[in-house]
Amino acid sequence: QSVLTQPPSVSGAPGEKVTISCAGSSSNIGAGYDVHWYQQAPGTAPKLLIYGDMNRPSGVPDRFSGSKSGTSASLAISGLQAEDEADYYCQSYDSSLSAHVLFGGGTKLTVL
Amino acid sequence: QVQLQESGPGLVKPSQTLSLTCTVSGGSISTNSYYWSWIRQHPGKGLEWIGNIYYVGTTYYNPSLKSRLTISLDTSKNQFSLKLASVTAADTAIYYCARSQRILSSLSVVPGSLNSWGQGTLVTVSS
Repeated sequence: QSVLTQPPSVSGAPGEKVTISCAGSSSNIGAGYDVHWYQQAPGTAPKLLIYGDMNRPSGVPDRFSGSKSGTSASLAISGLQAEDEADYYCQSYDSSLSAHVLFGGGTKLTVL
Repeated sequence: QVQLQESGPGLVKPSQTLSLTCTVSGGSISTNSYYWSWIRQHPGKGLEWIGNIYYVGTTYYNPSLKSRLTISLDTSKNQFSLKLASVTAADTAIYYCARSQRILSSLSVVPGSLNSWGQGTLVTVSS
């Protein structure tokens, strides 16, 4: 079980907005450590989607947005498109663990 | 733009050592701005961090793999490598190398986002 908890799946119709949560604790997200998000389409390597809680790398559409509050973070995807169907992972750091990098368990987004 | 490419055997026998190399192009690994990372993904599963190495050779390992793991770098070849000993079928996975930004977060220098990834290489452990 991952230290960062994500829902296994979410779904939405084209054009809708979905939100994926990433629940942590006081030693990771709640301690203020940055949260990053990745998109992984089938058969491909993960792609950085959001870094530093809410920043988009160049080329990532503004339909993707990140936020953080307390011990949780969220990824919102608005104006859903068919090509958004993928797995999404959050990532952060934990000060209480020896692990240098933490990933959430991943969320499968299905576009209906 | 930096590019990373994994290389190594796609098939390893049980109890042997899995060895992979990541070749970095378009940028030097001898920089204090990044950690160099290995991540794996078991078939149909999520991402698992394996370990990081910093350009001076400092390593950070996943505690669950630490006893079998060695990550090293060769600055002359702009490469870093992974060795995982005593493998079993449970080590069958896609192995990715990646570059992790070093960032100041919550008053500490920690790994940030993994902003460049290799394409991944499937390693199967089987006799």
